[in-house]
Amino acid sequence: KQEVTQIPAALSVPEGENLVLNCSFTDSAIYNLQWFRQDPGKGLTSLLLIQSSQREQTSGRLNASLDKSSGRSTLYIAASQPGDSATYLCAVRRVRGSARQLTFGSGTQLTVLP
Amino acid sequence: DGGITQSPKYLFRKEGQNVTLSCEQNLNHDAMYWYRQDPGQGLRLIYYSQIVNDFQKGDIAEGYSVSREKKESFPLTVTSAQKNPTAFYLCASSIGREVYNEQFFGPGTRLTVL
Repeated sequence: KQEVTQIPAALSVPEGENLVLNCSFTDSAIYNLQWFRQDPGKGLTSLLLIQSSQREQTSGRLNASLDKSSGRSTLYIAASQPGDSATYLCAVRRVRGSARQLTFGSGTQLTVLP
Repeated sequence: DGGITQSPKYLFRKEGQNVTLSCEQNLNHDAMYWYRQDPGQGLRLIYYSQIVNDFQKGDIAEGYSVSREKKESFPLTVTSAQKNPTAFYLCASSIGREVYNEQFFGPGTRLTVL
């Protein structure tokens, strides 16, 4: 059974700091990994999608890496801003079982202090 | 504007009642999904549909039912058999049937059982 873990559960940093969010998964047989942002009481916004054959993806100040063999992904946020405050979720799309199913981590709640 | 809409935003239900949550998309996506999110937890898949008139159970389908009569609509009914229905419900869709496609999410419906 695929399990996805995100550590830490909460993180607070001063504005301008670079930071890394971690995601680990137990079964390396994945199609892809997706990072999402969720604001309080809102739906999910897709940030980055990394296919299993890729090592990283970049979008603006965000960079996501994937090490499938070790079951790890990181989301790097450069020059953090108060507007980055949100919960960040990672999810992997399994190969085994129903291939359409995403397995989510429980998220890291990020607070960027002005 | 293309997107996914969910209604209502907030829903209150008395014990023993069935309620139906609406999800509509105008993105011309083939696949649609329903997830449940509990506080401090990741999302769990309830049902998904890859094509009209077809749907599959996810990890936690008991106490829920769905239909997919139209490509753009995927309503979820929370039945009285669902023992702990209070949660945040999110609908998602993705283009085509390929497993590597990105999922896009609606704004969610918060269901509270009184």
